[in-house]
Order: sequence, then structure tokens, then C-alpha cells
Amino acid sequence: QKEVEQDPGPLSVPEGAIVSLNCTYSNSAFQYFMWYRQYSRKGPELLMYTYSSGNKEDGRFTAQVDKSSKYISLFIRDSQPSDSATYLCASGNSGYALNFGKGTSLLVTP
Amino acid sequence: EAGVAQSPRYKIIEKRQSVAFWCNPISGHATLYWYQQILGQGPKLLIQFQNNGVVDDSQLPKDRFSAERLKGVDSTLKIQPAKLEDSAVYLCASSLEYTQYFGPGTRLTVL
Repeated sequence: QKEVEQDPGPLSVPEGAIVSLNCTYSNSAFQYFMWYRQYSRKGPELLMYTYSSGNKEDGRFTAQVDKSSKYISLFIRDSQPSDSATYLCASGNSGYALNFGKGTSLLVTP
Repeated sequence: EAGVAQSPRYKIIEKRQSVAFWCNPISGHATLYWYQQILGQGPKLLIQFQNNGVVDDSQLPKDRFSAERLKGVDSTLKIQPAKLEDSAVYLCASSLEYTQYFGPGTRLTVL
């Protein structure tokens, strides 16, 4: 079983829609949860991170972690065509390598 | 603040040849990681350095891959000899605490 599981999609939504991206993880010791955005032929770009359980909001993006169910979510409000990318969830602990999901490919159509 | 720099950006070689990648982390970041990202997959750790010491190289195929981080700054990753299955993007990342920042990657194609 992989440490982090993520549905690869692809996910296609119309512009303005609310997008929900999800991951599950298996290691209850993980404390840090990250979302990276990766455009085609680019390196992953850190979007948001959360420590332990709870929500974190940044503009149109909300990251949510539920440690009781080992569930990680990213919500994108008012999605834009420029949000079209692959979204990678990752989890781990400080000072250690991250465990990544496969990434979910998102396409926002005008 | 300058980001993580990597070179070359692209490399095409034939199997059994050797290749080397270079990474310059964000200034002041003590921890440096090399990840391998195969098409359609998330990045997978190859090796982690703390300053110039190796923290984790458990997933590095040591019969063909080697890496070093001289003086605790720049790092090189080498593959010798390359196999077809080494075709991937090689990503370098650095961190100060828990947030890792990635470079643009080197896309390797092995023919």
C-alpha cells in the first residue's frame, strides 16, 4: 500500500466551478500536509501546507486535513483556466522526505 | 530570493551511457533532496542530504546512481550506466525546515 493515495483523474470542470481534490494517507505519524501545483514541464510549486488537523485558507484555495480519517483535501473556489495543472498532495514529517500521491490532472474549461 | 536551480533542463542519451545532473539549492537551505518523477507518477525520493551528509539513500539504486553534495551547497546526481527505465524527470528540492521548494527539473530521455 502506498503511503499516499490520490485519484489521478483527469478532472474537467467549467470555469467558475468549485473544485475538490482529495487524498488519503496511511501513516498516522505524518504531521505535515502539502499541496503542490505542477504545470506541464515545470517543477512542483508549493501551493499550501498544513500542520496537523484543521483548515487553512489562502485566497481561492482551502486546504483541509482530517487526521482521524487520514483524509487530505484541497478546495479551489471560482476556478480559472489558469488553474489547469496537476495537483500533487504530499505528507510527511519535518526534516524528512515527502511522500507524494500520483497527482490529479485538472482542466478548467472557459 | 532565487529559487532552486538545476541544469541541464533536458538530456537525451542512449542506454549504457552516463549522465550527470547539477543542483544549486536556495541559499541557506541545509537540506537537499533528489527526487525521480516518472510520467504520471508523483516524485519519489532518491537521496536526501543534510548539509553534506547523507540522511536517506535507501531508495537510490546504488549500482548505477551516485550523488554527492560538496561543501554542503551544490549537488550532483550521476547515472552510470543508464537504462531505459531511468527516463524520467529528476527534481532537486531544498528546505530550511519542513517546506520543500523544487527546481524546474531535468527531463532525461534514455533511448
